[in-house]
Amino acid sequence: DGGITQSPKYLFRKEGQNVTLSCEQNLNHDAMYWYRQDPGQGLRLIYYSQIVNDFQKGDIAEGYSVSREKKESFPLTVTSAQKNPTAFYLCASSIFGQGARGYTFGSGTRLTVV
Amino acid sequence: GQQVMQIPQYQHVQEGEDFTTYCNSSTTLSNIQWYKQRPGGHPVFLIQLVKSGEVKKQKRLTFQFGEAKKNSSLHITATQTTDVGTYFCVGMGGSEKLVFGKGTKLTVNP
Repeated sequence: DGGITQSPKYLFRKEGQNVTLSCEQNLNHDAMYWYRQDPGQGLRLIYYSQIVNDFQKGDIAEGYSVSREKKESFPLTVTSAQKNPTAFYLCASSIFGQGARGYTFGSGTRLTVV
Repeated sequence: GQQVMQIPQYQHVQEGEDFTTYCNSSTTLSNIQWYKQRPGGHPVFLIQLVKSGEVKKQKRLTFQFGEAKKNSSLHITATQTTDVGTYFCVGMGGSEKLVFGKGTKLTVNP
């Protein structure tokens, strides 16, 4: 079955460390997104990519970086510059221009700073 | 920037009661989507509304899009314990970017 796989499910980061969250999809979707969810909050857009080798900053991109070298993969790096990284991170994908089919989300990564 | 306000933030009902959540956008939307997120889970797409005044039904769920395309509602008739979760409305602006409401967390007392 096609879908989005995020790994790991849980991740612990020490102060000052960079960590990378994986997101892989086999849906042949053009667009991929990273969202951050904090308790009691909606999802906030970190970065998005509509085609390979291109990506755009979302609303809260500071302290994060991404790459899109392959259509299937959109990893997110949480850098030491992100001062409050503890959150639930969700990756999503869609067929660009066909949002009527909705966005497919991965199962998420819970990142905790220790 | 574009904002989507969703109310109420929390709703607790007895099983069998109805439930409604409302969304209002600061700007006209091209479309609005609704998602459900079960506790500990990830958002799952429910439906998209595109046309002014559109109404769509999925079994006990009724979705409406306002005439001005700035507001929307989700109504659940006769709630069941399987309906628990957080319901998000998501407005679509330019560049295929989604703007999420903060969600309504629904709990159902059996």
